[in-house]
Amino acid sequence: TQLLEQSPQFLSIQEGENLTVYCNSSSVFSSLQWYRQEPGEGPVLLVTVVTGGEVKKLKRLTFQFGDARKDSSLHITAAQPGDTGLYLCAGGRRDDSWGKLQFGAGTQVVVTP
Amino acid sequence: KAGVTQTPRYLIKTRGQQVTLSCSPISGHRSVSWYQQTPGQGLQFLFEYFSETQRNKGNFPGRFSGRQFSNSRSEMNVSTLELGDSALYLCASRRAAGNTGELFFGEGSRLTVL
Repeated sequence: TQLLEQSPQFLSIQEGENLTVYCNSSSVFSSLQWYRQEPGEGPVLLVTVVTGGEVKKLKRLTFQFGDARKDSSLHITAAQPGDTGLYLCAGGRRDDSWGKLQFGAGTQVVVTP
Repeated sequence: KAGVTQTPRYLIKTRGQQVTLSCSPISGHRSVSWYQQTPGQGLQFLFEYFSETQRNKGNFPGRFSGRQFSNSRSEMNVSTLELGDSALYLCASRRAAGNTGELFFGEGSRLTVL
């Protein structure tokens, strides 16, 4: 059972369209991170959010952390083929040790030209 | 600077055998975590080491073990391999304490158990 539920599991869109990926939990997290993983590589950190209600923008990517720190979303504006990858959310809990994160199962995003 | 290095990248074993995977963290990183990634379960936490001490362990059977050396390099071992152990094993190193630090992942060791 995943502590963090991601939706959708798979997303295929055309270049230039927008997309949103959701990450939900019934648990409270002290921090929430988003990673992107490409085939044959390990996940790479995109952003860390730590405050409820926090919004962070990274060029065309917008990340939100829910007020109650139980959910998060990733929005991509005008997607490009380079955005293709597996997007993973990962939560850090206050009572867990430093290197232990709870990962969602991931959302596979495919952006076609 | 060099990233996290994992060896071997690919390996094939048969049921009942054992396997040892190696991870060299980024220079200066003292925390090393191991994760198992499968299509059905995603990334599952195995264990974390800091200063040669295991700090936390995930919900895996005792067949999964690990250790960390004084130079922060880490190894994990899986004994009596089962078909279900086929997965991508990812190692990640961290510099900062606390759960807001960035995890730097290696490319993983892909284990296939026949």
